[in-house]
Amino acid sequence: GAGVSQSPSNKVTEKGKDVELRCDPISGHTALYWYRQSLGQGLEFLIYFQGNSAPDKSGLPSDRFSAERTGGSVSTLTIQRTQQEDSAVYLCASSTGQGGYEQYFGPGTRLTVT
Amino acid sequence: GNSVTQMEGPVTLSEEAFLTINCTYTATGYPSLFWYVQYPGEGLQLLLKATKADDKGSNKGFEATYRKETTSFHLEKGSVQVSDSAVYFCALSGAGGTSYGKLTFGQGTILTVHP
Repeated sequence: GAGVSQSPSNKVTEKGKDVELRCDPISGHTALYWYRQSLGQGLEFLIYFQGNSAPDKSGLPSDRFSAERTGGSVSTLTIQRTQQEDSAVYLCASSTGQGGYEQYFGPGTRLTVT
Repeated sequence: GNSVTQMEGPVTLSEEAFLTINCTYTATGYPSLFWYVQYPGEGLQLLLKATKADDKGSNKGFEATYRKETTSFHLEKGSVQVSDSAVYFCALSGAGGTSYGKLTFGQGTILTVHP
């Protein structure tokens, strides 16, 4: 079956521009997560959606970052006024539940801010 | 808050050597523990997991035991292969409250296996 998909796979943008990153989770998965993978910081949690509950935004690094999940499925991560330190691979994952459930990761979007 | 510490890498081994990658954690309550692997050019995938103390996770010849008394989840394999070359991440998922669900990762350990 289809796994988690993300688009675009690569994005190069100029400093100060806004970007939108998309995640399509596995159908039926109620939990959706965004992480960031960068050389300096490793793998960091950003935000997490579980069903209809309010999202856990505790990992978002600044108010330039936001995310939404429409209809309990597709999610979009938006970064406004991008900075060079935002350059990283942004990973999306989904799972059937929380806690001990396996998270299935997408291939990531590599964002480069010039 | 939660944290995971992995042994420093990179690790370079010859084929058929024994592998240990150390992982210790700090968390309140009873977290679930995971090892994820990232093969060259591929995405993160779950290697094994353990959800309670003394559980042993195993897959593809790799094993790790959830040791609450030492807060550890060391990854071991008796005989590595060239195809095991990858980056290995230890991670935990919080047991409740605000940390429930999301993964906290270690720094990652790069493993290279030579023929």
